[in-house]
Amino acid sequence: DTEVTQTPKHLVMGMTNKKSLKCEQHMGHRAMYWYKQKAKKPPELMFVYSYEKLSINESVPSRFSPECPNSSLLNLHLHALQPEDSALYLCASSQTPWSRGSDTEAFFGQGTRLTVV
Amino acid sequence: AQRVTQPEKLLSVFKGAPVELKCNYSYSGSPELFWYVQYSRQRLQLLLRHISRESIKGFTADLNKGETSFHLKKPFAQEEDSAMYYCALRGGNKLVFGAGTILRVKS
Repeated sequence: DTEVTQTPKHLVMGMTNKKSLKCEQHMGHRAMYWYKQKAKKPPELMFVYSYEKLSINESVPSRFSPECPNSSLLNLHLHALQPEDSALYLCASSQTPWSRGSDTEAFFGQGTRLTVV
Repeated sequence: AQRVTQPEKLLSVFKGAPVELKCNYSYSGSPELFWYVQYSRQRLQLLLRHISRESIKGFTADLNKGETSFHLKKPFAQEEDSAMYYCALRGGNKLVFGAGTILRVKS
């Protein structure tokens, strides 16, 4: 199994809603990442989890709250989002955190297309 | 800070023509460079990385530290190569992407 699975594929939410994005991998990877991708733009790093601990937060607003309950799962909790937060949210994983140097290939999920109305 | 520059938003070539997608980077440390590809309606996937010096689907890329470049090349483009190509740089614990270049191969 060399896949990163993200659910849901599409999500429409109001600005007062609370929702969660889920990401799962069963490759034994110990580093997981959230990226945000706006239309026609490259992916932008949001968070990095290394051995289930948050290691990087790229100054992401607190309305985005990541969680890594175990080594296979990564969640992104959303609350009080703004319309400008509408984007494709990508999850990725790699065997080890990139700072460790070994096998640095990142596997990406299909993404969750989020629309905030 | 690390930065990746892909100067061309769109590169359009005919089938069988050579392809070169440009990538320049800036990073104070020792970088790892990658090319990722995103075909229509598919997930982002790794095409190649400079460490392995491999050729995938006929594509090659050489890291030129003097010119801080990592251009992607293929001698003969095929229609199935049409996709979005991202150059990416890993520095420390971050993977940073360039703006991407759309490659269109015309028949």
